[in-house]
Amino acid sequence: EAGVVQSPRYKIIEKKQPVAFWCNPISGHNTLYWYRQNLGQGPELLIRYENEEAVDDSQLPKDRFSAERLKGVDSTLKIQPAELGDSAVYLCASSRTGKISPLHFGNGTRLTVT
Amino acid sequence: KNEVEQSPQNLTAQEGEFITINCSYSVGISALHWLQQHPGGGIVSLFMLSSGKKKHGRLIATINIQEKHSSLHITASHPRDSAVYICAVGQETSGSRLTFGEGTQLTVNP
Repeated sequence: EAGVVQSPRYKIIEKKQPVAFWCNPISGHNTLYWYRQNLGQGPELLIRYENEEAVDDSQLPKDRFSAERLKGVDSTLKIQPAELGDSAVYLCASSRTGKISPLHFGNGTRLTVT
Repeated sequence: KNEVEQSPQNLTAQEGEFITINCSYSVGISALHWLQQHPGGGIVSLFMLSSGKKKHGRLIATINIQEKHSSLHITASHPRDSAVYICAVGQETSGSRLTFGEGTQLTVNP
């Protein structure tokens, strides 16, 4: 099966600019996650979708971050405006619905805010 | 105190050595995941387990639910095993949300 696809792979922007990341999960995976990973740390959940519904967005900084998953398949994560502290790797993952389902991660988008 | 703690944080080994990475957690879990992350790369799921032991090639993962502890073993280590190994737990009370450890940086020298 094709893996989780993310784009772009790298993004460099100036602070205060907007940026968007795209994720295409594995076909048939109803659960989709966006994680942020800072250097030397484990991933931190930003938002989790079950189909098109955001069921866990408690860690999403809603003043500047937004996400959508139209039609319950692809998802986009947006930051507007970006801040220097947003520099990180943004990871998308997907799984089948259920507590005990393996996660499949994309290669991530490395964001650098200058 | 983090809910998921890994040790060691960094590990350097010689090719061929037997390697153990430990993970302790403090919450009730539905499953524990071991993940591998190469520099600049995405994360690959190695194991998902809720009891006992699993083996895949040179990798072995064990979990002791009573002691809230899991280990990842690598036999006959190779330089290509150099990566960050991350332990993550799915908590019983939080559905599909995972809590991640901070990872163990493994370097295997030839």
